[in-house]
Amino acid sequence: QSVLTQPPSVSAAPGQRVAISCSGTSSNVGDNYVSWHQQLPGAAPKVLIYDNYKRLPGIPDRISGSKSGTSATLAITGLQTGDDAVYYCGAWDNNLNGWVFGGGTKLTVL
Amino acid sequence: EVQVVESGGGSVQPGGSLRVSCAVSGFIFSSYEMNWVRQAPGKGLVWVSYISYSGSTKYYADSVKGRFAISRDNAKNSLYLQMNSLRADDTGVYYCARGCSSDSCDVYWGQGTLVTVSS
Repeated sequence: QSVLTQPPSVSAAPGQRVAISCSGTSSNVGDNYVSWHQQLPGAAPKVLIYDNYKRLPGIPDRISGSKSGTSATLAITGLQTGDDAVYYCGAWDNNLNGWVFGGGTKLTVL
Repeated sequence: EVQVVESGGGSVQPGGSLRVSCAVSGFIFSSYEMNWVRQAPGKGLVWVSYISYSGSTKYYADSVKGRFAISRDNAKNSLYLQMNSLRADDTGVYYCARGCSSDSCDVYWGQGTLVTVSS
């Protein structure tokens, strides 16, 4: 059972928009930065979004992050087949003194 | 260019020990908190341990407390995880992950090193 809650799977057609939610509590998402990580099959995770909404260099602006209260959202527009991956949200938890993650959301681009 | 490279993984019997290392470059290592995160086969990401900039503060997941020890050598730009009393459920890929600086939490992952605990 993961501390942060994500939907197990989402799907959409190429070119469409998808949003992945991440729900936490006041001790993690509500009080700390949220990051989003993409993991392609057989590869290491890669950060897409950090500090709730910032993108590292090289991450396209069709990928965006937002946070409101104890929930965060990753949005991807103009879906491409290369976006087919598992996405994790993460945040520091002040009560656990540890980094907590969601269980991961499998994005299928139909 | 930021680089984070883990090493030291391998196969070990239950009850055994292993030390994994992480060498970094491309950023000021001593300015960043660091973490170890693991991923069991077919499962999600699970945080294992944290260490502060100077190494004075360390945190561990309950599942590894008392068995694992995190450390860092800022002069060598290196992070370590000493793993003792290994169990089968410690099996997985261990990732070194850059955490937060005083300015932001621009996380960066290594490619991981596989640890297999099996008799």
